[in-house]
Amino acid sequence: NAGVTQTPKFRVLKTGQSMTLLCAQDMNHEYMYWYRQDPGMGLRLIHYSVGEGTTAKGEVPDGYNVSRLKKQNFLLGLESAAPSQTSVYFCASKEDTYSNQPQHFGDGTRLSIL
Amino acid sequence: GDSVTQMEGPVTLSEEAFLTINCTYTATGYPSLFWYVQYPGEGLQLLLKATKADDKGSNKGFEATYRKETTSFHLEKGSVQVSDSAVYFCALAVSSGYSTLTFGKGTMLLVSP
Repeated sequence: NAGVTQTPKFRVLKTGQSMTLLCAQDMNHEYMYWYRQDPGMGLRLIHYSVGEGTTAKGEVPDGYNVSRLKKQNFLLGLESAAPSQTSVYFCASKEDTYSNQPQHFGDGTRLSIL
Repeated sequence: GDSVTQMEGPVTLSEEAFLTINCTYTATGYPSLFWYVQYPGEGLQLLLKATKADDKGSNKGFEATYRKETTSFHLEKGSVQVSDSAVYFCALAVSSGYSTLTFGKGTMLLVSP
């Protein structure tokens, strides 16, 4: 019963490097989300997807790209990492559009940009 | 836009004390309300939820009542334990906008023996 799995769990990058964070869910959920968590800021939505092949911008999308080629996977890319992107990144999934359903979260990826 | 305001922490309590964490919200629609808990080094877990006015969500001794008249969803527990030490997030989702969650900034709870 894996739920939402994020890889990697930790990563250190240098400014300007690129990387991709992977989120995989095994619950057949339609909706998937990427958040970042910063001290004193709560969680802020970066991008989300309402189904395979779809993506949409959230509150803080600049500097990130996403793809949802398969229903179970949602990838978050940093093309040219900046120190301001040092954060903890969480992926979440949700069965469908009804607002009364909770989102299910992964354990996070801690990313440091030097 | 939608927003959630939580009391700032940390909240420091002794074991068996009564807990209240205040949460108020503003929303353009008729939201569902959630409390999530984050233990150190982990992701967020749903603690409880309420989907309409006067609903009471409860789980693991925690309770929160959806108060539409005061736009509040305060979290309470009658007797906290050391194992309740965590960060608690209040959040809302409205039926429009693909049900994205709007979070408060989180309240850290520290319980000492």
